[in-house]
Amino acid sequence: AQKVTQAQTEISVVEKEDVTLDCVYETRDTTYYLFWYKQPPSGELVFLIRRNSFDEQNEISGRYSWNFQKSTSSFNFTITASQVVDSAVYFCALSEGNYGNNRLAFGKGNQVVVIP
Amino acid sequence: DTAVSQTPKYLVTQMGNDKSIKCEQNLGHDTMYWYKQDSKKFLKIMFSYNNKELIINETVPNRFSPKSPDKAHLNLHINSLELGDSAVYFCASSIVLNTEAFFGQGTRLTVV
Repeated sequence: AQKVTQAQTEISVVEKEDVTLDCVYETRDTTYYLFWYKQPPSGELVFLIRRNSFDEQNEISGRYSWNFQKSTSSFNFTITASQVVDSAVYFCALSEGNYGNNRLAFGKGNQVVVIP
Repeated sequence: DTAVSQTPKYLVTQMGNDKSIKCEQNLGHDTMYWYKQDSKKFLKIMFSYNNKELIINETVPNRFSPKSPDKAHLNLHINSLELGDSAVYFCASSIVLNTEAFFGQGTRLTVV
């Protein structure tokens, strides 16, 4: 069974602070895929990143960075120098082939509120 | 050009009615999905189609029936609507399974 845990439900930060969103996953598969999505107040879901289980390289894209650690089954997301436009719900998701039938299973999301 | 478009964006209807939500993607993707997002923002997959073939059918009431007339379209028909069906329904598509999914803007369904 798939499971994605995003423990922090709501996180408030003051603008320009860094914020890290934790994502812990469970899988029996050796090949799986991890994703992060952003859902701003307007409601659409925006793809941010995909990581394959065999690629543990960390990724930086502008103010966003991701830390993938298979040893702890975590795929954490950091926003550096947060801005008001970063206020959104952020979802971590897992897809696995053998045991999950390629379902994209989402965590419950982290509501990030950036206070100006 | 909208990549994944679904209509309508808002749908208010009475209990017991039948309604449909349409979805189209112009990305040339092979796989399409329907997701349901409840009031607590929890996203759960309902159906997945690959090349018009149903490959994932989660435990949803059989009042929900997806239809894929071609690879670019995946419509959702709901019979005998109930109050608990109120949610935001998202259509999505991906190149193939296990690649990133691109979502439509969502359809907010309210059953009264």
